[in-house]
Amino acid sequence: GAVVSQHPSRVICKSGTSVKIECRSLDFQATTMFWYRQFPKQSLMLMATSNEGSKATYEQGVEKDKFLINHASLTLSTLTVTSAHPEDSSFYICSASRTSGGADTQYFGPGTRLTVL
Amino acid sequence: GDSVTQMEGPVTLSEEAFLTINCTYTATGYPSLFWYVQYPGEGLQLLLKATKADDKGSNKGFEATYRKETTSFHLEKGSVQVSDSAVYFCALSDTGTASKLTFGTGTRLQVTL
Repeated sequence: GAVVSQHPSRVICKSGTSVKIECRSLDFQATTMFWYRQFPKQSLMLMATSNEGSKATYEQGVEKDKFLINHASLTLSTLTVTSAHPEDSSFYICSASRTSGGADTQYFGPGTRLTVL
Repeated sequence: GDSVTQMEGPVTLSEEAFLTINCTYTATGYPSLFWYVQYPGEGLQLLLKATKADDKGSNKGFEATYRKETTSFHLEKGSVQVSDSAVYFCALSDTGTASKLTFGTGTRLQVTL
């Protein structure tokens, strides 16, 4: 149990376009979902925390207008990278937790590699 | 701010060898400490955790002890298997829960026959 999927696993897009990444909890209801970004040979950096039905809380330095997060249901959160540029190329990972505030274990998705040309 | 430093990889070991992956941390207060593992093509999975000083987390033959005096949480296994090949991440949470995790850079382990 506690499986989290992400779609797509890889995406290549042109500069200036928008890309949507989906994160789904397959066998449990996720009150809280987290979005991370990972650069090569670097740590996972938390971008934002979202609770179902409310606005996401973004970490300092993360542009909320550029990285739009929607957590409309207890099994789905989406991250939309708007007007993507090459510097947005990265590995994006989501995680989900059963309880509010992430007080339970986080279950991670396999990640989405975004390449912006 | 909080930070986690872990040894760079890759670490290459023969099967049945002893494994140590070092992890040290910087945090205010008394964080909870975690080891996550990522097998090829899969998401990160919680391997073990410790929530207070001198606690030992253990799972699947892996162990790590929360050492407050040295701010360390080194991962050990007495005899590795090929199936242990993966990337291992050390992480901390200063909220006492699994929320707002701060990760290390990850250490790739490759176990050969």
